[in-house]
Amino acid sequence: DIQMTQSPPSLSASVGDRVTITCRASQTISKYASWYQQKPGKAPKLLIYTTSTLQSGVPSRFSGSGSGTDFTLTISSLQPEDFATYYCQQTYTTPTFGGGTRLEIK
Amino acid sequence: QVQLVQSGGEVKKPGASVKVSCKTSGYIFSNYGINWVRQAPGQGLEWVGWISVFNGFTNYAQKFQGRVTMTTDTSTTTAYMELRSLRSDDTAVYYCATTLLPTVVTPSNNWGQGTLVTVSS
Repeated sequence: DIQMTQSPPSLSASVGDRVTITCRASQTISKYASWYQQKPGKAPKLLIYTTSTLQSGVPSRFSGSGSGTDFTLTISSLQPEDFATYYCQQTYTTPTFGGGTRLEIK
Repeated sequence: QVQLVQSGGEVKKPGASVKVSCKTSGYIFSNYGINWVRQAPGQGLEWVGWISVFNGFTNYAQKFQGRVTMTTDTSTTTAYMELRSLRSDDTAVYYCATTLLPTVVTPSNNWGQGTLVTVSS
């Protein structure tokens, strides 16, 4: 299976900050990286798929980039509702998720 | 709007089986596949498998091969996941979710509310 290594595992930031979360695949996954947001007690929410395609209804402050093995999720200006846990996923082969990044308020 | 409503929580003994249902509405059932994803308490997400409603193809994570069966009932637009030979480390919230495309495994854009399966003697 392809391993997805996410960093950092946790992150403290303030409203208005620019935040970047990274995900590294153990082998190439072409463009097939996606990102989810999960809040406590809730189902995950798809934010971005195929590296940079914004899911319908997701604010434009979220963006994704990368290719091959290295991918990033960027939130350009943190809003209060963005504090959550974020997961990357690859669907190039049998899907696997990264370990998650918990984004907390500083 | 697309809705996925899952069956209620279950408590099972080790070695037993569980079958979780996922009733869908608000879209053409065969237009999307169904992913099943689980999350152990306080842990991350784990993909369990996928079924294409369109052609019945399945793809299971290797660690669940031989223990899991995913099916769909097009007459009731319901998806099912059965997990057998339950162990304590199968305790988790199990989610069903639609996929972006009908015949290949893709990310999930609509999710059920989750079903807590507890395995305990």
